[in-house]
Amino acid sequence: AQSVTQPDIHITVSEGASLELRCNYSYGATPYLFWYVQSPGQGLQLLLKYFSGDTLVQGIKGFEAEFKRSQSSFNLRKPSVHWSDAAEYFCAVGPVSGGYNKLIFGAGTRLAVHP
Amino acid sequence: DAGVIQSPRHEVTEMGQEVTLRCKPISGHNSLFWYRQTMMRGLELLIYFNNNVPIDDSGMPEDRFSAKMPNASFSTLKIQPSEPRDSAVYFCASTSLGGKWTEAFFGQGTRLTVV
Repeated sequence: AQSVTQPDIHITVSEGASLELRCNYSYGATPYLFWYVQSPGQGLQLLLKYFSGDTLVQGIKGFEAEFKRSQSSFNLRKPSVHWSDAAEYFCAVGPVSGGYNKLIFGAGTRLAVHP
Repeated sequence: DAGVIQSPRHEVTEMGQEVTLRCKPISGHNSLFWYRQTMMRGLELLIYFNNNVPIDDSGMPEDRFSAKMPNASFSTLKIQPSEPRDSAVYFCASTSLGGKWTEAFFGQGTRLTVV
């Protein structure tokens, strides 16, 4: 069955430090992969997506992610974190079963940023 | 476009009452999702519509939950009767097939509290 695992529930980093959020997926074919961010009280906003091609994808707000098929991973990175990056981050994979565009989300990683 | 619009943003109701959540997808999108978010279970897909037709409702927790999409610009999620364990944030998201898979756009959610 398709699934997404985000091993880290909470991560705390200092402002200006680098960040890597982990995402592993289980999928029977070439997946479409997404990272979403959710600020408190808000909906989910797309940071970046991978459909095909270059395995290093750039997103908004200075984020990037790298698709590694051999490791079934799609980790999110940012070289220098800003206090405004504190939020919850969700990795998602799709489409699921039958080709319909249905997303499966990971449990999320809550990021705290220390000044 | 104003994005995906959900109403109400907050709903407080008494146990046993009927609750109706509303969603207006982005114009031109032909797929619509209802998700539920709780601390315990994270983001769960409840039901998915394609071209106004329910494709997958396997995530609907019980018969107390029902969803409709009478036209391309409107969907409802109804809970009757509501129970305290239904308290959660309910998100609506829409996307477009159009021959190419793309990301889902989320509304800001409805925070439901059943007392």
